[in-house]
Parts: sequence; C-alpha cells; structure tokens
Amino acid sequence: QVQLQESGPGLVKASGTLSLTCAVSGGSISSNDFWTWVRQPPGKGLEWVGEIHHSGSFNYNPSLESRVTISVDKSKNQFSLKLRSVTAADTAVYYCARAGATSNYLDPWGQGTLVTVSS
Amino acid sequence: QSVLTQPPSVSEAPRQRVTISCSGSSSNIGNNPVNWYQQHPGKAPKVLIYSDDLLPSGVSDRFSGSKSGTSASLAISGLQSEDEADYYCAAWDDSLDAWVFGGGTKLTVL
Repeated sequence: QVQLQESGPGLVKASGTLSLTCAVSGGSISSNDFWTWVRQPPGKGLEWVGEIHHSGSFNYNPSLESRVTISVDKSKNQFSLKLRSVTAADTAVYYCARAGATSNYLDPWGQGTLVTVSS
Repeated sequence: QSVLTQPPSVSEAPRQRVTISCSGSSSNIGNNPVNWYQQHPGKAPKVLIYSDDLLPSGVSDRFSGSKSGTSASLAISGLQSEDEADYYCAAWDDSLDAWVFGGGTKLTVL
C-alpha cells in the first residue's frame, strides 16, 4: 500500500524558507489523487496547508497562499513544500498525506516532521 | 479560531456512548461531505468516517457519523480506553476553496 515519508531540516531561521519533501512509495504520484500538506503547531489543532495534483493543479490555504509553493517531482515520485518568510508561528509538525480522488479523505499520512523556526 | 466548531473536550465512562459535534456553515458542512479523524498523542491522524457517515475498511463499527444541515456528529459506542484521543472534523469550504478542520475535541475515557 501507499506509504509517505517526510524529510527536511528540523530547524529554520526566522525570515528564511522552510523546505520539506514527501517521498511516495507503494504507488505513483501520477495517480489521480491530490497530494497534501497539513501542519499542527505544538499543542494545537490541524491546519490544511495545501494540495497538488500531478497535472500541476493546486489549491492553497488562503491564509498562507502568498508564502507557499507545493510542487511535484514525477521522476522522484515525491512532492515538496516551500514556505517563505517563516516566523515562530510556522513552528509545527508538518504532515504529508494523500487525498484520494474517489474517497476524498486524507489517507495515508506520513509520520510527520517537526520544524522549529528559530530567531 | 477554526472555521468548524467543536467542543474542546468530552468525557464519558467505559462502555458508554459519547457524541462529538461539529458546527459549520452552508459553504462547508452544509454543501460538502464531512470527514472525521482520530489522533493519538505523537501520532499522525487517522480517518474514522468519510462522506458524512461511511467507515473506511478496518475501522470499528463502534464509530458512526451523521450530518444534518450545517452540523455533523461523531458517535462512539462501547467506549474503550484506547479511544482516548483527539478527534477532528473536516470539510471542503467552497468560499475559501480550502479544506477546513475543526479545532479538535479531546476525548477522555473516565
């Protein structure tokens, strides 16, 4: 079955760019699904960051839209998140997940990776 | 402030039944399916209910979902200690063109 694994720096300096990658195994990123990022600040709830389809179609959280880019790398079967001009408020566990084309729910999820923004 | 509103916490005794509410608007719950996720501490969320009231394969039938108008509910019967977790509702919002989550509800099994 499909498995997802996030990777990237665990520490990013304030005003810098947060960059994460999600490797997809057991399935193709060129399926008809949407590939998604969700984040969770420590002790707080879930926040949808955005999603992308292999065709390039994407949707972003309006509150983050001016700073976020999600892209797909079909050759590596992975997708990536870039969040620019980060602040302490961007400190969170970042999860990647698949939104099924027919099921329309998030499954599976990666294990999550904590990114801390330091001043 | 989350777009979908859930109670911060609920509690109930083992073997009892508990419901968790999720309130939204016509642009999300009122016009789109609702999903429910369970999250144990330090773990990734897991889908419990999708499309308002459907169970994914492998999810216990002690979990059930319902929706009426702009509100949805998750019910858990026969409570077990392993059900202690955070629960989140989610729906697509047509006005925001985005998925929105509830703030989460912490379930304590007394």
